[in-house]
Amino acid sequence: QSVLTQPPSASGTPGQRVTISCSGITSNIGSNTVNWYQQLPGTAPKLLIYSADQRPSGVPDRFSGSMSGTSASLAISGLQSEDEADYYCAAWDDRLNGRLFGGGTKLTVL
Amino acid sequence: QVQVVQSGAEVEKPGASVKVSCKASGNIFTDYWIHWVRQAPRQGLQWMAMINPSLGRTTYSQKFQDRVAMTADTSTNTVNMHLSSLRSEDTAFYYCVYSKYYYGSGAPDHWGPGTLVTVSS
Repeated sequence: QSVLTQPPSASGTPGQRVTISCSGITSNIGSNTVNWYQQLPGTAPKLLIYSADQRPSGVPDRFSGSMSGTSASLAISGLQSEDEADYYCAAWDDRLNGRLFGGGTKLTVL
Repeated sequence: QVQVVQSGAEVEKPGASVKVSCKASGNIFTDYWIHWVRQAPRQGLQWMAMINPSLGRTTYSQKFQDRVAMTADTSTNTVNMHLSSLRSEDTAFYYCVYSKYYYGSGAPDHWGPGTLVTVSS
């Protein structure tokens, strides 16, 4: 069981806005920033958001991140069929002295 | 743009050891932390260990610390991950990730394509 908790699934229709949550505790999200990754089938994870709300170059501004307390969220606006993928959050944990990943959320575009 | 390459797929028997290698293009070897993350079939991501070659520091996940070792070859800018006492549950893709900071955030990180390790008798 992952220490960072994500919903196992999410869905939306094209054009809709979807939010994926990531819940942690004081020693991880409460003390460190969060990255978000997108993983398409058969490929390596791709960085979507780093430092909670920063987008690497090339990532559309439809993707945004936020943090509050011990939780983080990834929002995808203007949902597109190519957004159908698995999404993971990640954060450093000061108590474990290691990096943690959420269990992943499978996004389905209906 | 940073490009990360990894060694090819491996098939090993239970009880054996495996070495997976990783190298990044560009002069970033001494400035980065190199993390290893694995993903078993149809499972999530799991952090295993990290190394900073210039600092000579390694940190291992408690789950793997008895079986994993990371080394760095500064002459070839290559990082190696050694996993011993393999069992079927170690069958997974192993990803190498270059990150500017040990905590993995703060700046964009760079993932390798992954190396499939299959453990089977």
